[in-house]
Amino acid sequence: DIVLTQSPALAVSLGQRATISCRASESVRSSMHWYQQKSGQQPKLLIYGASNLASGVPARFSGSGSGTDFTFTIDPVEADDIATYYCQQSRNDPLTFGSGTKLEIK
Amino acid sequence: EVQLVESGGGLVQPGRSMKLSCAASGFTFSNYGMAWVRQAPTKGLEWVATISYDGSSTYYRDSVKGRFTISRDNAKSTLYLQMNSLRSEDTATYYCTRRYNHWFAYWGQGTLVTVSS
Repeated sequence: DIVLTQSPALAVSLGQRATISCRASESVRSSMHWYQQKSGQQPKLLIYGASNLASGVPARFSGSGSGTDFTFTIDPVEADDIATYYCQQSRNDPLTFGSGTKLEIK
Repeated sequence: EVQLVESGGGLVQPGRSMKLSCAASGFTFSNYGMAWVRQAPTKGLEWVATISYDGSSTYYRDSVKGRFTISRDNAKSTLYLQMNSLRSEDTATYYCTRRYNHWFAYWGQGTLVTVSS
């Protein structure tokens, strides 16, 4: 199985940039997707194919990377962005998720 | 508006069975692959099973193979997950998701399954 590694938490000030990384144990090419999960809610797709913004998602959110190293960015961070962010790969079965990065406001 | 509404969760004893349902609306259900993704309490997300748009192909994670069955009724716009021989490690919120390619474009609100004696 492909293991996706994310840092557990990140603290950012409002209005600043938040950068979340996801490292894959082997290349997933551009088959990386990002989700936001707010407390008590279901996940929501934000980015697909490493860098494509899902429908209705604000342009403050972006993604980049390919191969094994990926980055998810929020710029600028707003209070409503407090959530846990997960990466997910679809290069190989089984589809796997990272353990999530909890975004906190300083 | 795409809506996915899960039902059927609850408390079940180890070794028993449970069937989850997911009622879909707001889109042409028969055009899309669907999947179940679960999340154990305070844990991360875990893909469980996938079914093709017409039900002809199904895929499972190893830990549920032979115990869980994903199915669909396109006439009723409903997705199912039959879970047999349940174990404590199956305790989780189960989300119904609509797939697009190999990502999960829409998610239901989830239904909690608790396996405990």
